[in-house]
Amino acid sequence: NAGVTQTPKFQVLKTGQSMTLQCAQDMNHEYMSWYRQDPGMGLRLIHYSVGAGITDQGEVPNGYNVSRSTTEDFPLRLLSAAPSQTSVYFCASSLSGRGGETQYFGPGTRLLVL
Amino acid sequence: AQSVAQPEDQVNVAEGNPLTVKCTYSVSGNPYLFWYVQYPNRGLQFLLKYITGDNLVKGSYGFEAEFNKSQTSFHLKKPSALVSDSALYFCAVSPGVGYNFNKFYFGSGTKLNVKP
Repeated sequence: NAGVTQTPKFQVLKTGQSMTLQCAQDMNHEYMSWYRQDPGMGLRLIHYSVGAGITDQGEVPNGYNVSRSTTEDFPLRLLSAAPSQTSVYFCASSLSGRGGETQYFGPGTRLLVL
Repeated sequence: AQSVAQPEDQVNVAEGNPLTVKCTYSVSGNPYLFWYVQYPNRGLQFLLKYITGDNLVKGSYGFEAEFNKSQTSFHLKKPSALVSDSALYFCAVSPGVGYNFNKFYFGSGTKLNVKP
């Protein structure tokens, strides 16, 4: 049981490039989410999903796309990277997303946009 | 607007002394409250949560937190700090039933330094 895995661990992009951050979980969790962590701002929700085929926006969705074709995977896409997207990105999952459930976090992806 | 405040960027405490990390919130309904800990270059780990019931919640590694509805606070406490408790601590909240409890809001984090 690997829990929540994220790839890559670290990535450098040039402005305007695109990339996909991968997230997978093997706990059969319905709810998955993406956060970005910036100094002094804590974690901010980008997008979340309550099941395959269902996604919704969080606090800071602009510049990011998501889709959920399977229960296990929830990739985050940057279509045209900007320096403001330099951050540490965390994926998390919980059983169903109903209130009060514990979220399990991946190890994070550190992204630098030049 | 939903928000979570951790008023202290850093808390310094001597090993063996009690510690408190503060959290206040402004969230719709009767919220669900969490504390997570982050060690350097790692993801967040769950410590404890308040759903309902007893206002004093006990969690991992000897930590506990007290929910105070009138003060909208959920402070993290430990009676005797260890050097190994040094880490970054996050308070998180999700709105209660009847609101969008799929959205979680995190505080800005408090760095706990425990000195030998």
